[in-house]
Amino acid sequence: EEQMLESGGGLVKPGGSRRLSCAASGFPFSIYSMNWVRLAPGRGLEWVASIHGSSNYIYYADSLKGRFTISRDNAKNSLYLQMDSLRAEDTAVYFCARFSLQMRLTFIDIFDLWGPGTMVIVSS
Amino acid sequence: QSALTQPPSASASPGQSVTISCSGTSSDVGGYNYVSWYQHHPGKAPKVMIYEVSKRPSGVPDRFSGSKSGNTASLTVSGLQAEDEADYYCSSYAGINDVLFGGGTKLTVL
Repeated sequence: EEQMLESGGGLVKPGGSRRLSCAASGFPFSIYSMNWVRLAPGRGLEWVASIHGSSNYIYYADSLKGRFTISRDNAKNSLYLQMDSLRAEDTAVYFCARFSLQMRLTFIDIFDLWGPGTMVIVSS
Repeated sequence: QSALTQPPSASASPGQSVTISCSGTSSDVGGYNYVSWYQHHPGKAPKVMIYEVSKRPSGVPDRFSGSKSGNTASLTVSGLQAEDEADYYCSSYAGINDVLFGGGTKLTVL
């Protein structure tokens, strides 16, 4: 069964850092582009970042550039999100989500597999 | 403020139909036929229900349908069932390296 499971969420103080992980299983992880998408309380979903299977192509939402870093380890079937200089408005459930097209990274694609998410709360 | 506009809530009785709208601009919803809809039961993984405006992934019941007119896309759920109660989010391609989501609509089955 194809599935993904996020971890690493929790309570963080403003200005602090947190590293989220996403463990994938049941599919050839390295050939899919992966994403982080977040859902903040009272707000909609927001795309955060994308990474090609090769890690050669990486894109971030303009509002987050410079504070968040997406990466992956294909040998471990894992996706990561390093979050620095966290703010209260970063409080959200963070989902890892797979793009459906193999060997490509294009934003006309769909998020065809998601994890259940991990909650990050930024508060003093 | 979410980029695409959805009504915060919708409701209907079992067996009835309900339509959820998603309003954007000519730079996103109106400019491309790459609108998707995602169903999210809180605490669970979201699931794609519609892609490319009106296509259904394998396994999605044909009670779910999508359409678009101008800058507004719509998701219609016919023959409502209790398990359809969830949050629904639209998404649209918005040009190179960008994807937009809506604020979400909470669907209640009365």
